[in-house]
Amino acid sequence: TQLLEQSPQFLSIQEGENLTVYCNSSSVFSSLQWYRQEPGEGPVLLVTVVTGGEVKKLKRLTFQFGDARKDSSLHITAAQPGDTGLYLCAEISSGTYKYIFGTGTRLKVLA
Amino acid sequence: DTAVSQTPKYLVTQMGNDKSIKCEQNLGHDTMYWYKQDSKKFLKIMFSYNNKELIINETVPNRFSPKSPDKAHLNLHINSLELGDSAVYFCASSQSKDTQYFGPGTRLTVL
Repeated sequence: TQLLEQSPQFLSIQEGENLTVYCNSSSVFSSLQWYRQEPGEGPVLLVTVVTGGEVKKLKRLTFQFGDARKDSSLHITAAQPGDTGLYLCAEISSGTYKYIFGTGTRLKVLA
Repeated sequence: DTAVSQTPKYLVTQMGNDKSIKCEQNLGHDTMYWYKQDSKKFLKIMFSYNNKELIINETVPNRFSPKSPDKAHLNLHINSLELGDSAVYFCASSQSKDTQYFGPGTRLTVL
């Protein structure tokens, strides 16, 4: 079974700092998604990466897909309190509708 | 306009009871899902329906029974509730294997 490990598990930083969250797998991803979940709500898709080495930017968020497609990172520049939430990576098993979610990173940005 | 809605938002019940959670999506999607998120925020797929047909049935106790009366609805019935069933249950929908949209979740507490 595909296992998606995220690190760190918890992260508490001051507003304005930069941070990176990682997602690693024992197998090759077909594609990878990143979600953000705010307290009391469901996860919301941020981005989908498909090609090894791909980099996508969403305002202050930069997503990178590893060349071998076994890892991905999410970098946030100048974090703001509004970035607080649970960040989840997810992969859809090839040929199925089954999404496998990572272990999650809980981020807290202090004002 | 709520895209994916769930009722109830909170459910507190005694061990041994039977309860149902309802989900509706107004996005015209053909695929719906049920996920369970435990206290450690790990999100795991339980069931998925595509055009009212069950396509994913993970290792879930048979006390859990999903029902899809039509493409816009996917309900979850749980018999003989146990303490370990306490979690947040999320419904989601997608058009085929495209982006999933999650509902706000139902927090189930079994006493």
